[in-house]
Amino acid sequence: SAVISQKPSRDICQRGTSLTIQCQVDSQVTMMFWYRQQPGQSLTLIATANQGSEATYESGFVIDKFPISRPNLTFSTLTVSNMSPEDSSIYLCSVDRSGVVGYTFGSGTRLTVV
Amino acid sequence: DAKTTQPPSMDCAEGRAANLPCNHSTISGNEYVYWYRQIHSQGPQYIIHGLKNNETNEMASLIITEDRKSSTLILPHATLRDTAVYYCIAVRGNNRKLIWGLGTSLAVNP
Repeated sequence: SAVISQKPSRDICQRGTSLTIQCQVDSQVTMMFWYRQQPGQSLTLIATANQGSEATYESGFVIDKFPISRPNLTFSTLTVSNMSPEDSSIYLCSVDRSGVVGYTFGSGTRLTVV
Repeated sequence: DAKTTQPPSMDCAEGRAANLPCNHSTISGNEYVYWYRQIHSQGPQYIIHGLKNNETNEMASLIITEDRKSSTLILPHATLRDTAVYYCIAVRGNNRKLIWGLGTSLAVNP
C-alpha cells in the first residue's frame, strides 16, 4: 500500500477557480513539504507545513495564492487559488519519515489550467 | 547548500553499468551528497547518500572523491526501468530544505 496518498492525481481546471490537493500519510510525520514542478523544470519548494502552526512559505510563494492546512500529523492540503494557465504544473507533497532515510514523495497532482 | 552540476542527459545500454557524474566543488564539510531519481509521472525516489566514504545499497553505489568535490552514482546493471531523471543534491545535515537542480535524464536502451 502507498505510504503517501495524493489526490487528485490529475485535473483540468478553468482559470479563476481553485483546486485543493490532499496528501495523506500512513504514519505521523512532523513536517510535510509541498513542491511545484513546472513543465520541463525541476522541483521548487512552495512551503513547509507544520501541524499546529502556520505554514512557512518560500520566496515567491504567498499564503493567499497557496493556502495550506495541516490539521493533524498525517494529513495536509494545498489549495491553488484563482488559477491561471501559469499554474499548470505537477504539485508534489513530501514527508520526512522517522527511521527512514531520505524524503518520501507522493505521486503528484498534474494540474492543467485552461 | 552547495550547488551541484550534472550533465543534462546520458545513455546507457541495458545490462551495462550506468555511471552518473555530479560536480559539487563548493560543498562544505557538513554537507551530504544525496541522490534521488524521478521516473516519468511519479514523485522522486530516494536512492542513496554519503558524506565522505563510498556507499552501496541494493539500488546503487556512490563514489565520492577524496576532496569531495565530485561524486558518481553507479547503477551496476541498468535495466529499462532505470530510465529516469537523476538528481544529485548537497544537503546540510540539519537542513530540511532540498535545492533541486535539473538533474541528468538517463535513457537505458535495449
